[in-house]
Amino acid sequence: AQTVTQSQPEMSVQEAETVTLSCTYDTSESDYYLFWYKQPPSRQMILVIRQEAYKQQNATENRFSVNFQKAAKSFSLKISDSQLGDAAMYFCAYKVVSGSRLTFGEGTQLTVNP
Amino acid sequence: KAGVTQTPRYLIKTRGQQVTLSCSPISGHRSVSWYQQTPGQGLQFLFEYFSETQRNKGNFPGRFSGRQFSNSRSEMNVSTLELGDSALYLCASTPRGSSYNEQFFGPGTRLTVL
Repeated sequence: AQTVTQSQPEMSVQEAETVTLSCTYDTSESDYYLFWYKQPPSRQMILVIRQEAYKQQNATENRFSVNFQKAAKSFSLKISDSQLGDAAMYFCAYKVVSGSRLTFGEGTQLTVNP
Repeated sequence: KAGVTQTPRYLIKTRGQQVTLSCSPISGHRSVSWYQQTPGQGLQFLFEYFSETQRNKGNFPGRFSGRQFSNSRSEMNVSTLELGDSALYLCASTPRGSSYNEQFFGPGTRLTVL
């Protein structure tokens, strides 16, 4: 069974600084997708960034980027120039290419200090 | 385009009752997935419906059921409610043809069982 682990229940960062959230996963599949979702206090899950396992190039979306290490089964999220609006719970998620089920990590609560 | 909508947003029931939650996907989306979010268990996949057929099912008891209508709207039903069923229930829809099978989430229904 696939599992996703986020070892940092809480993280904090100063506004305008950079923070990295960690995620590791376990799978025997060779082709899959990885995602980072953000859940603000409103509880609406918002997709932040996604990565296809077969792509070696790390995904980037504006201030958000990932460090995807397939051999190590690691998928960390880097947030640059942190903003107050980035404060939220961040979930790492995994999905096999052929399936629809998202497997989520436990989440990391990010606080952004002004 | 309107996003995924879920009704009701909040619900209070008592043990032993049953409840029905509704989800309307984004127009044109034919796949609907349901997730349960609790502080203890995190985000867990319940089931997925596509073209009115259940295509995938998570590890939940038979008290949890769902269905999808011809207009892709979906309902989930929980019978004989237990205190542990108190949770945020999230619905997500997937666009047809998306290479990532990206899931767009609704705001959730907060169910409280007393």
